[in-house]
Amino acid sequence: KNEVEQSPQNLTAQEGEFITINCSYSVGISALHWLQQHPGGGIVSLFMLSSGKKKHGRLIATINIQEKHSSLHITASHPRDSAVYICAVTGTASKLTFGTGTRLQVTL
Amino acid sequence: ETGVTQSPTHLIKTRGQQVTLRCSSQSGHNTVSWYQQALGQGPQFIFQYYREEENGRGNFPPRFSGLQFPNYSSELNVNALELDDSALYLCASSGAPGLSTDTQYFGPGTRLTVL
Repeated sequence: KNEVEQSPQNLTAQEGEFITINCSYSVGISALHWLQQHPGGGIVSLFMLSSGKKKHGRLIATINIQEKHSSLHITASHPRDSAVYICAVTGTASKLTFGTGTRLQVTL
Repeated sequence: ETGVTQSPTHLIKTRGQQVTLRCSSQSGHNTVSWYQQALGQGPQFIFQYYREEENGRGNFPPRFSGLQFPNYSSELNVNALELDDSALYLCASSGAPGLSTDTQYFGPGTRLTVL
């Protein structure tokens, strides 16, 4: 079993839909990261959180430390949101342990 | 733009050869981490360098080695290449490794193909 599990693995949505991607982890962490990876490989850090909720534009990330679970929400999805979304966690060092990613495709 | 660059962007090698991948970190970032991402998988931690010393290593054999230089650049060297080494190699820079809540800034990656 992976230390970081994401669901769903693949997600197709129509433009404007509300999207939720889930992440569960089985180890103690100091922070959880949501990352976005576009075709070609570049990774962009979207959020880093250790408690509660963060919002940036149409993106919202929440974390429940007791349940070891985090969600990434995208409101009013757009085709440019199409990418792979990766959940990753850090322990006591800044090494990241990654989930396998959720491939999101937003269609017109 | 994260301020982290990698070279080359693509590379093709044959089994048994050696390869050096390069990363230039953000100025002021003393920590660089290297990751291997196989097709369809999440990245896997290779190792981390802090102030030119190895500061943690993942489950990779000794033929994967690294160097970090004072000018915020670093290298990943892989000897005796195997077919399974074909992957996207990512570097990420951040502040001091003790700051586990520090954002990591990723480079665009080097795609290595081993034939």
